[in-house]
Amino acid sequence: EVQLVESGGGLVKPGGSLRLSCAASGFTLSNAWMNWVRQAPEKGPEWVGLIKSKIDGGTIDHAAPVKGRFSISIDDSKNTLFLQMNSLTTEDTAVYYCVTERSGSFHDWGQGTLVTVSS
Amino acid sequence: QSALTQPPSASGSPGQSVTISCTGTSSDVGGYNYVSWYQQNPGKAPKLMIHDVSKRPSGVPDRFSGSKSGNTASLTVSGLQGEDEADYYCSSYAGNNIYVFGTGTKVTVL
Repeated sequence: EVQLVESGGGLVKPGGSLRLSCAASGFTLSNAWMNWVRQAPEKGPEWVGLIKSKIDGGTIDHAAPVKGRFSISIDDSKNTLFLQMNSLTTEDTAVYYCVTERSGSFHDWGQGTLVTVSS
Repeated sequence: QSALTQPPSASGSPGQSVTISCTGTSSDVGGYNYVSWYQQNPGKAPKLMIHDVSKRPSGVPDRFSGSKSGNTASLTVSGLQGEDEADYYCSSYAGNNIYVFGTGTKVTVL
């Protein structure tokens, strides 16, 4: 059974940094297309970025609002996905989900971790 | 990349049908058959209900169906049940490894 467990969220000041983790079980992360999706309070989901499977080149892409500030990576030895977030602003306040992707759709979701950016 | 446009709300009585639209452009909805739909209950993660425009994952009731015409995709829930009351979001691939979600529709079962 696929299981995704996010952690690392919390309260951070504007301009600060945070690293989110997503521990996966039931499958090998590097064999899957993995995404981060966030959802601000009372808003719809917003795609943040993806890392393709190793066999598909491991390409990494990020959405325009976070490009240059956020970075996705994988630790194969821990089967864990990361989202490094720098230069955070209040606009980044959201629940962050790690999600598996197949055929352009988001199949398995974690429970999410809340990031609050506030002074 | 702009969010896909959905009506803010939709409603129906138990047993009736409700259809939700999702309007994009030729660069997303109209350009790819990678439209998906998600159901979200309060405090929970979204759940995939439809992928590849009209395919249902295992376990999703066949009361849920999807379609697409031009730049607009649709989700129809037939035989509405109380448990269908939730927020629904569409999503589409938009090319160049970019994905976009819809603005969301709150479905109320009267």
